[in-house]
Amino acid sequence: EAQVTQNPRYLITVTGKKLTVTCSQNMNHEYMSWYRQDPGLGLRQIYYSMNVEVTDKGDVPEGYKVSRKEKRNFPLILESPSPNQTSLYFCASSPGQGSGYTFGSGTRLTVV
Amino acid sequence: QKEVEQNSGPLSVPEGAIASLNCTYSDRGSQSFFWYRQYSGKSPELIMSIYSNGDKEDGRFTAQLNKASQYVSLLIRDSQPSDSATYLCAVNPVRSNDYKLSFGAGTTVTVRA
Repeated sequence: EAQVTQNPRYLITVTGKKLTVTCSQNMNHEYMSWYRQDPGLGLRQIYYSMNVEVTDKGDVPEGYKVSRKEKRNFPLILESPSPNQTSLYFCASSPGQGSGYTFGSGTRLTVV
Repeated sequence: QKEVEQNSGPLSVPEGAIASLNCTYSDRGSQSFFWYRQYSGKSPELIMSIYSNGDKEDGRFTAQLNKASQYVSLLIRDSQPSDSATYLCAVNPVRSNDYKLSFGAGTTVTVRA
């Protein structure tokens, strides 16, 4: 089944404790992206990747890191999480050519 | 000015009626436009894409695009309770950068049985 897989689905952590949210897609898509969704603010793009080893900042990159060492994987790293990073996070992938993104199931992160 | 704006809703329609959702965008160079549906607690699901001026129909859904007015809309005909969800408008702001997809805040639709 073609899909974008994120893990974990739920995560509660403490301020300052480094964490990684994994993302993997099995559709051989070129593009991958991370979004966060907050009430009233909608989906905001954190980082995106156009191909292996090619990444760029989205609209809200502060406090996040990403890497794209393999085409299928695009982990999101929070080096020192803070409470304002409590949010619902989505990973997404796209083949490009204006096809839009396919989203993973989401990761609900709570930073206390 | 936000890149993508939607009427905030919520929008309540009776079963069988037409739900009309509107979206405007700021980047005149935008080329690709999408409507996503998001059920509560679920991830966004792509339901329509449109690239040229005019109408595009897919089942009970019709997307309408007017690039001169920088306006895209979604009509849901014969609305069903299963259509109750938040609908997100998304736009690729620049032609060559279609990995950059900007979303509106969404319009929540409730279909009354």
